[in-house]
Amino acid sequence: QVQLQESGPGLVKPSGTLSLTCAVSGGSISTSHWWSWVRQPPGKGLEWIGEVYLGENNNYNPSLKTRVTISIDKSKNQFSLKLSSVTAADTAVYYCATSRLYMLEHWGQGTLVTVSS
Amino acid sequence: EIVLTQSPGTLSLSPGERATLSCRASQSVTSTYLAWYQQKPGQAPRLLIYGASSRATGIPDRFSGSGSGTDFTLTISRLEPEDFAVYYCQHYGRSPPMYTFGQGTKLEIK
Repeated sequence: QVQLQESGPGLVKPSGTLSLTCAVSGGSISTSHWWSWVRQPPGKGLEWIGEVYLGENNNYNPSLKTRVTISIDKSKNQFSLKLSSVTAADTAVYYCATSRLYMLEHWGQGTLVTVSS
Repeated sequence: EIVLTQSPGTLSLSPGERATLSCRASQSVTSTYLAWYQQKPGQAPRLLIYGASSRATGIPDRFSGSGSGTDFTLTISRLEPEDFAVYYCQHYGRSPPMYTFGQGTKLEIK
């Protein structure tokens, strides 16, 4: 079974770039999965950020599209999220997940990123 | 973009009771694209139901999903103590390709 683990800075300054990595174990990132990022502000609901497939195709949430890049590093079996021009509204728990057949099947445990000076 | 509205916001029930959670879409959706998740405090969401009615691997058969068109339901036949959590419905849209979630229903112990 695929396992996912997020990592990255827990604190980012306003106007900076949030960068997270999701390490994939128990399987190759070069499979039929799409690889997604989802976030959840404290005490609020879930928001899908975007997904990547084999490093060649991306889909992004239109509300975040201008600020988001999701990429794959096949050599490290991991994928990454970059979110630019962050504000306090981007403070959230960020999850990585597998997206396949219209569902988000496997999830990482999540990592809290706080945007603050 | 499809908007999913879940009701009720909070549902208070006792162990052993039946829980019925609703998810209404702003327009008719294909059942294939409808899923349900359970989230407990401090944990990641867990996939329960996909394709509106298929249970994910390892999900007990007290969980069932149903519905079509704009109205979908998650039913928990007999509540166990571990079932008290927040539940989200999710839709996959194709134009543009994206996942959207309902706002969640909190199932709490009465």
